[in-house]
Amino acid sequence: EAGVVQSPRYKIIEKKQPVAFWCNPISGHNTLYWYRQNLGQGPELLIRYENEEAVDDSQLPKDRFSAERLKGVDSTLKIQPAELGDSAVYLCASSPHSGTDTQYFGPGTRLTVL
Amino acid sequence: SQQGEEDPQALSIQEGENATMNCSYKTSINNLQWYRQNSGRGLVHLILIRSNEREKHSGRLRVTLDTSKKSSSLLITASRAADTASYFCATDGSNDYKLSFGAGTTVTVRA
Repeated sequence: EAGVVQSPRYKIIEKKQPVAFWCNPISGHNTLYWYRQNLGQGPELLIRYENEEAVDDSQLPKDRFSAERLKGVDSTLKIQPAELGDSAVYLCASSPHSGTDTQYFGPGTRLTVL
Repeated sequence: SQQGEEDPQALSIQEGENATMNCSYKTSINNLQWYRQNSGRGLVHLILIRSNEREKHSGRLRVTLDTSKKSSSLLITASRAADTASYFCATDGSNDYKLSFGAGTTVTVRA
């Protein structure tokens, strides 16, 4: 079974530039999560999708961050414009359904904003 | 904000020794999970313990949970070099299926 796929793995941009991350969850997983992990910290949830619906985006900074999950499969997370403080690893995870205990994580995208 | 807090922040042991790390949390939970993260990789689920359980084993892993003290421990027995990683506890404290992670314990196993 293929795991959660994320791309790119690394991204370096200058501040004020836009950036986008892509995630392909495990086939058949209805729930998709985007997390941000700062250096030396644990992941913090940004947004959770049930199929194509964002059911929890309370932690997403909506002034510059946006996300979509068209057709309830792949998802993209966008930052526009990026700020220095956005440098972090952005992790995507999926699970079969909400309430499923285990979340399966992708390798993450390491973003560096200069 | 992060609910869980791991202790110690870092741990260095010799191969073959046991490694113990602790997690404390603030609010009531449904379950507590432990994840491992190798350098530059995503997190891998290790074990889950529910609030009505006190101890759980999986291979060389042993997890305990004390809900009265709001704490959990993860024991790795007979450590190997491949156990070198960061270990995170995560709590699921409500019905919104949101996991709250601690800052992690970095374990280094010396050959």
